[in-house]
Amino acid sequence: GAVVSQHPSWVICKSGTSVKIECRSLDFQATTMFWYRQFPKQSLMLMATSNEGSKATYEQGVEKDKFLINHASLTLSTLTVTSAHPEDSSFYICSARTGRAFFGQGTRLTVV
Amino acid sequence: DAKTTQPTSMDCAEGRAANLPCNHSTISGNEYVYWYRQIHSQGPQYIIHGLKNNETNEMASLIITEDRKSSTLILPHATLRDTAVYYCIVGFVQGGKLIFGQGTELSVKP
Repeated sequence: GAVVSQHPSWVICKSGTSVKIECRSLDFQATTMFWYRQFPKQSLMLMATSNEGSKATYEQGVEKDKFLINHASLTLSTLTVTSAHPEDSSFYICSARTGRAFFGQGTRLTVV
Repeated sequence: DAKTTQPTSMDCAEGRAANLPCNHSTISGNEYVYWYRQIHSQGPQYIIHGLKNNETNEMASLIITEDRKSSTLILPHATLRDTAVYYCIVGFVQGGKLIFGQGTELSVKP
């Protein structure tokens, strides 16, 4: 079946630095990808919809200047957490749809 | 907001059928019912989806009520590896965002 790959699986960064997470659809083209965030013991929360060749659509309450999304090709979307702080520590998951949704394996971000 | 409601948690004995209910009373005519599960610290895994007919695959069966306002996911012979959080989601098959509810934490016990 279709595969969505996320990289890195985990990352530790210092407070104030930026971190980039990549999401690739390996065997299909995705004009749209989705980014979620998940805190411990909670459900996935949709952050934004990434649109190939145009601006991302952010959900209410998500800071677009803090979470930069770039969808430069039909198989790659990136999420950059800028000026990361400890409260940004979370599990970030991307998704792409071809009919059903396929999810990446997630990225565990820890900001120290 | 999520369009589905599910019990917070359920237990099931190993080898028995696990029946996970989901309410989606505001589902629209073209929206499908999708089921995913998430094992700790992994991305969600697709299980099954359907529109109005009952569906079965190698993992599970999906029973959708005639009015489409609720559904039940059935794992016919639960194993310890089926312990996970199960999410019922409604959405359009041609695309669009999927909004997760709180899901059901299923614990399969020996």
